[in-house]
Amino acid sequence: DAGVIQSPRHEVTEMGQEVTLRCKPISGHNSLFWYRQTMMRGLELLIYFNNNVPIDDSGMPEDRFSAKMPNASFSTLKIQPSEPRDSAVYFCASSRAENYGYTFGSGTRLTVV
Amino acid sequence: QKEVEQNSGPLSVPEGAIASLNCTYSDRGSQSFFWYRQYSGKSPELIMFIYSNGDKEDGRFTAQLNKASQYVSLLIRDSQPSDSATYLCAVHGSSNTGKLIFGQGTTLQVKP
Repeated sequence: DAGVIQSPRHEVTEMGQEVTLRCKPISGHNSLFWYRQTMMRGLELLIYFNNNVPIDDSGMPEDRFSAKMPNASFSTLKIQPSEPRDSAVYFCASSRAENYGYTFGSGTRLTVV
Repeated sequence: QKEVEQNSGPLSVPEGAIASLNCTYSDRGSQSFFWYRQYSGKSPELIMFIYSNGDKEDGRFTAQLNKASQYVSLLIRDSQPSDSATYLCAVHGSSNTGKLIFGQGTTLQVKP
């Protein structure tokens, strides 16, 4: 199993640009989670999907953030326009079922200058 | 009050000692509890989970759960320098929404 695959690993962009982060969950996992990690705030849940349906997006910081899961093997997190305070590591994780532990991807380190 | 609280550390122990990492949670109805290890610059990795009161052992790791006290801990026996990492406690809440709430993590340093 290839695990949870995220791309890109690193992204440096200028303020105001659109950023798209991608995630491929583990095959057979039906829950997918997007987290953001910073030194100050730790790991914060942004949004999660169950069977491709968004269940809880209360952690999405503002309208600049959006996420989609068009099918069971792909999800995107988009930031438009990006701001320097969005700089963080963004993790995607998937889980076989809602009460199981998660498997995390390697993360995308986003730097907005 | 934070939903999941951990002492940020660093917790420093000598090689071969027992490291004790602690976590408290606010949702009394929480059902499942997880410990993740995160090396610097890497992603969190699941190392233990526990659902019932008491102890659960896996190799050098023991997870302990006390739901009455809303307390979960992780013991690492015979600590090794390779155990040096940040340990994250995570809790599934009683709302059964499926989402894990993470603590801020405790940084463990094992000194040779």
